[in-house]
Amino acid sequence: EAQVTQNPRYLITVTGKKLTVTCSQNMNHEYMSWYRQDPGLGLRQIYYSMNVEVTDKGDVPEGYKVSRKEKRNFPLILESPSPNQTSLYFCASSFGRGMTEAFFGQGTRLTVV
Amino acid sequence: QQQVKQSPQSLIVQKGGISIINCAYENTAFDYFPWYQQFPGKGPALLIAIRPDVSEKKEGRFTISFNKSAKQFSLHIMDSQPGDSATYFCAASKGQNFVFGPGTRLSVLP
Repeated sequence: EAQVTQNPRYLITVTGKKLTVTCSQNMNHEYMSWYRQDPGLGLRQIYYSMNVEVTDKGDVPEGYKVSRKEKRNFPLILESPSPNQTSLYFCASSFGRGMTEAFFGQGTRLTVV
Repeated sequence: QQQVKQSPQSLIVQKGGISIINCAYENTAFDYFPWYQQFPGKGPALLIAIRPDVSEKKEGRFTISFNKSAKQFSLHIMDSQPGDSATYFCAASKGQNFVFGPGTRLSVLP
Protein backbone atom coordinates (compact mmCIF):
# COMPACT_ATOMS: atom_id res chain seq x y z
CA GLU A 1 0.00 0.00 0.00
CA ALA A 2 1.32 3.41 -1.04
CA GLN A 3 1.73 5.55 2.02
CA VAL A 4 3.55 8.28 3.88
CA THR A 5 4.29 7.30 7.46
CA GLN A 6 4.99 9.79 10.22
CA ASN A 7 6.12 9.04 13.75
CA PRO A 8 5.17 9.77 16.39
CA ARG A 9 1.50 10.66 15.93
CA TYR A 10 1.39 12.56 19.19
CA LEU A 11 4.21 14.16 21.15
CA ILE A 12 4.34 16.35 24.23
CA THR A 13 7.73 17.81 25.07
CA VAL A 14 9.33 20.59 27.06
CA THR A 15 10.87 23.79 25.77
CA GLY A 16 14.43 23.33 24.55
CA LYS A 17 14.48 19.54 24.36
CA LYS A 18 15.58 18.48 20.88
CA LEU A 19 13.18 16.25 19.00
CA THR A 20 12.87 14.55 15.63
CA VAL A 21 9.71 13.66 13.75
CA THR A 22 10.33 10.96 11.20
CA CYS A 23 8.72 10.68 7.77
CA SER A 24 9.05 7.80 5.37
CA GLN A 25 7.42 7.11 1.99
CA ASN A 26 7.31 3.86 0.03
CA MET A 27 6.45 5.28 -3.41
CA ASN A 28 9.97 6.16 -4.58
CA HIS A 29 8.91 9.81 -4.77
CA GLU A 30 11.53 12.43 -5.48
CA TYR A 31 9.78 15.27 -3.70
CA MET A 32 9.05 15.46 0.01
CA SER A 33 7.97 18.35 2.19
CA TRP A 34 6.88 19.34 5.67
CA TYR A 35 3.93 21.50 6.63
CA ARG A 36 2.47 22.82 9.83
CA GLN A 37 -1.26 23.30 10.20
CA ASP A 38 -2.65 25.90 12.55
CA PRO A 39 -6.29 27.01 12.99
CA GLY A 40 -7.22 29.78 10.58
CA LEU A 41 -3.87 29.62 8.80
CA GLY A 42 -4.21 26.44 6.80
CA LEU A 43 -1.08 24.52 5.90
CA ARG A 44 2.19 26.37 5.72
CA GLN A 45 5.22 24.84 4.10
CA ILE A 46 8.27 24.53 6.35
CA TYR A 47 10.85 22.84 4.12
CA TYR A 48 10.85 20.80 0.96
CA SER A 49 13.28 18.50 -0.79
CA MET A 50 13.55 17.83 -4.49
CA ASN A 51 15.86 14.85 -4.11
CA VAL A 52 18.53 13.31 -1.92
CA GLU A 53 20.76 15.98 -0.38
CA VAL A 54 18.65 18.76 -1.96
CA THR A 55 16.50 20.77 0.45
CA ASP A 56 15.02 24.25 0.39
CA LYS A 57 13.14 26.55 2.73
CA GLY A 58 9.40 26.95 2.53
CA ASP A 59 7.44 29.81 4.00
CA VAL A 60 8.08 29.18 7.72
CA PRO A 61 11.49 27.50 8.14
CA GLU A 62 12.65 29.29 11.30
CA GLY A 63 13.34 26.91 14.18
CA TYR A 64 13.34 23.78 12.02
CA LYS A 65 15.92 21.64 10.27
CA VAL A 66 15.56 18.82 7.79
CA SER A 67 17.81 16.29 6.12
CA ARG A 68 17.41 14.05 3.08
CA LYS A 69 20.11 11.39 3.21
CA GLU A 70 17.91 8.72 1.66
CA LYS A 71 15.16 9.08 -0.91
CA ARG A 72 12.48 7.52 1.29
CA ASN A 73 13.14 9.45 4.52
CA PHE A 74 12.76 13.13 5.35
CA PRO A 75 12.99 13.79 9.10
CA LEU A 76 11.99 17.10 10.68
CA ILE A 77 14.26 18.26 13.48
CA LEU A 78 13.47 20.81 16.16
CA GLU A 79 16.79 21.61 17.83
CA SER A 80 15.28 23.75 20.59
CA PRO A 81 11.48 23.58 20.50
CA SER A 82 9.45 26.51 21.76
CA PRO A 83 5.75 26.77 22.64
CA ASN A 84 5.01 28.62 19.37
CA GLN A 85 5.95 25.42 17.55
CA THR A 86 2.96 23.65 19.08
CA SER A 87 1.07 22.58 15.98
CA LEU A 88 -0.11 19.75 13.76
CA TYR A 89 2.63 18.69 11.37
CA PHE A 90 2.24 16.90 8.05
CA CYS A 91 4.79 15.29 5.82
CA ALA A 92 4.00 14.93 2.11
CA SER A 93 5.61 13.34 -0.92
CA SER A 94 5.03 13.50 -4.65
CA PHE A 95 6.54 11.92 -7.73
CA GLY A 96 7.72 14.94 -9.67
CA ARG A 97 7.04 18.34 -11.11
CA GLY A 98 3.78 19.56 -12.60
CA MET A 99 0.35 18.25 -11.81
CA THR A 100 1.34 15.39 -9.58
CA GLU A 101 -0.56 14.44 -6.49
CA ALA A 102 1.04 15.11 -3.13
CA PHE A 103 0.38 12.30 -0.65
CA PHE A 104 0.15 13.39 2.97
CA GLY A 105 0.96 11.46 6.11
CA GLN A 106 -1.48 11.12 9.00
CA GLY A 107 -0.01 14.01 10.91
CA THR A 108 1.95 14.54 14.13
CA ARG A 109 0.37 16.61 16.86
CA LEU A 110 3.18 18.31 18.77
CA THR A 111 2.72 20.16 22.04
CA VAL A 112 5.64 22.10 23.51
CA VAL A 113 5.17 23.16 27.14
CA GLN B 1 2.28 37.89 -2.94
CA GLN B 2 2.50 34.39 -1.52
CA GLN B 3 -0.94 34.51 0.09
CA VAL B 4 -3.93 32.51 -1.06
CA LYS B 5 -7.25 33.80 0.23
CA GLN B 6 -10.17 31.44 0.74
CA SER B 7 -13.83 31.98 1.58
CA PRO B 8 -16.08 31.23 3.28
CA GLN B 9 -14.46 30.06 6.48
CA SER B 10 -17.38 27.70 7.09
CA LEU B 11 -20.31 26.56 5.01
CA ILE B 12 -23.50 24.70 5.83
CA VAL B 13 -25.42 23.14 2.96
CA GLN B 14 -28.45 20.90 2.79
CA LYS B 15 -28.08 17.45 1.26
CA GLY B 16 -28.46 17.71 -2.49
CA GLY B 17 -27.45 21.36 -2.60
CA ILE B 18 -24.45 23.00 -4.27
CA SER B 19 -21.40 23.89 -2.18
CA ILE B 20 -19.21 26.69 -3.53
CA ILE B 21 -15.82 27.65 -2.12
CA ASN B 22 -13.79 30.51 -3.56
CA CYS B 23 -10.07 31.23 -3.62
CA ALA B 24 -7.93 34.08 -4.87
CA TYR B 25 -4.19 34.38 -5.38
CA GLU B 26 -1.76 37.15 -6.23
CA ASN B 27 1.39 35.52 -7.58
CA THR B 28 0.99 35.05 -11.34
CA ALA B 29 3.91 32.60 -11.33
CA PHE B 30 1.70 29.90 -9.79
CA ASP B 31 1.00 27.18 -12.34
CA TYR B 32 -0.86 24.46 -10.46
CA PHE B 33 -4.04 24.83 -8.43
CA PRO B 34 -5.17 21.79 -6.41
CA TRP B 35 -8.01 21.35 -3.96
CA TYR B 36 -7.52 19.10 -0.95
CA GLN B 37 -10.12 17.45 1.26
CA GLN B 38 -9.33 16.73 4.90
CA PHE B 39 -11.35 14.63 7.32
CA PRO B 40 -10.77 14.92 11.08
CA GLY B 41 -7.67 13.07 12.19
CA LYS B 42 -6.47 12.51 8.64
CA GLY B 43 -3.99 14.16 6.34
CA PRO B 44 -5.24 16.20 3.36
CA ALA B 45 -6.03 14.22 0.21
CA LEU B 46 -6.03 15.58 -3.32
CA LEU B 47 -9.56 16.07 -4.62
CA ILE B 48 -9.10 17.77 -7.99
CA ALA B 49 -6.56 20.07 -9.61
CA ILE B 50 -6.26 22.41 -12.58
CA ARG B 51 -3.67 24.20 -14.71
CA PRO B 52 -4.13 27.90 -15.54
CA ASP B 53 -4.55 27.20 -19.27
CA VAL B 54 -7.92 25.55 -18.61
CA SER B 55 -11.02 27.44 -17.42
CA GLU B 56 -12.91 24.49 -15.99
CA LYS B 57 -12.32 20.92 -14.92
CA LYS B 58 -14.96 18.47 -13.81
CA GLU B 59 -14.54 15.16 -12.02
CA GLY B 60 -17.80 13.57 -10.98
CA ARG B 61 -19.65 15.93 -8.66
CA PHE B 62 -16.61 18.20 -8.24
CA THR B 63 -15.82 21.08 -10.60
CA ILE B 64 -13.03 23.67 -10.52
CA SER B 65 -13.73 26.97 -12.27
CA PHE B 66 -10.62 29.03 -13.02
CA ASN B 67 -10.48 32.72 -13.96
CA LYS B 68 -6.90 33.57 -14.85
CA SER B 69 -7.46 37.27 -15.45
CA ALA B 70 -9.15 37.70 -12.08
CA LYS B 71 -6.67 35.37 -10.36
CA GLN B 72 -9.53 33.46 -8.81
CA PHE B 73 -10.64 29.86 -8.75
CA SER B 74 -13.49 28.04 -7.10
CA LEU B 75 -14.66 24.57 -6.16
CA HIS B 76 -18.24 23.54 -6.83
CA ILE B 77 -19.65 20.42 -5.23
CA MET B 78 -22.88 19.39 -6.90
CA ASP B 79 -25.49 17.25 -5.13
CA SER B 80 -23.62 17.67 -1.83
CA GLN B 81 -23.76 14.65 0.49
CA PRO B 82 -23.23 14.27 4.25
CA GLY B 83 -20.08 12.29 3.42
CA ASP B 84 -18.67 15.46 1.83
CA SER B 85 -18.55 17.09 5.27
CA ALA B 86 -14.86 17.92 5.71
CA THR B 87 -12.41 20.79 5.56
CA TYR B 88 -11.43 21.88 2.07
CA PHE B 89 -8.19 23.64 1.22
CA CYS B 90 -7.33 25.36 -2.02
CA ALA B 91 -3.68 25.72 -2.91
CA ALA B 92 -1.42 27.28 -5.50
CA SER B 93 2.04 26.19 -6.40
CA LYS B 94 5.09 26.81 -8.52
CA GLY B 95 7.28 23.73 -8.57
CA GLN B 96 7.21 22.22 -5.11
CA ASN B 97 6.54 25.44 -3.24
CA PHE B 98 2.89 25.12 -2.24
CA VAL B 99 0.80 27.88 -0.65
CA PHE B 100 -2.49 26.82 0.94
CA GLY B 101 -5.60 28.78 1.75
CA PRO B 102 -6.80 28.81 5.38
CA GLY B 103 -9.49 26.20 4.71
CA THR B 104 -13.30 25.97 4.59
CA ARG B 105 -15.19 23.72 6.96
CA LEU B 106 -18.13 22.24 5.05
CA SER B 107 -21.07 20.65 6.82
CA VAL B 108 -23.72 18.95 4.72
CA LEU B 109 -26.94 18.41 6.64
CA PRO B 110 -28.88 15.20 6.00
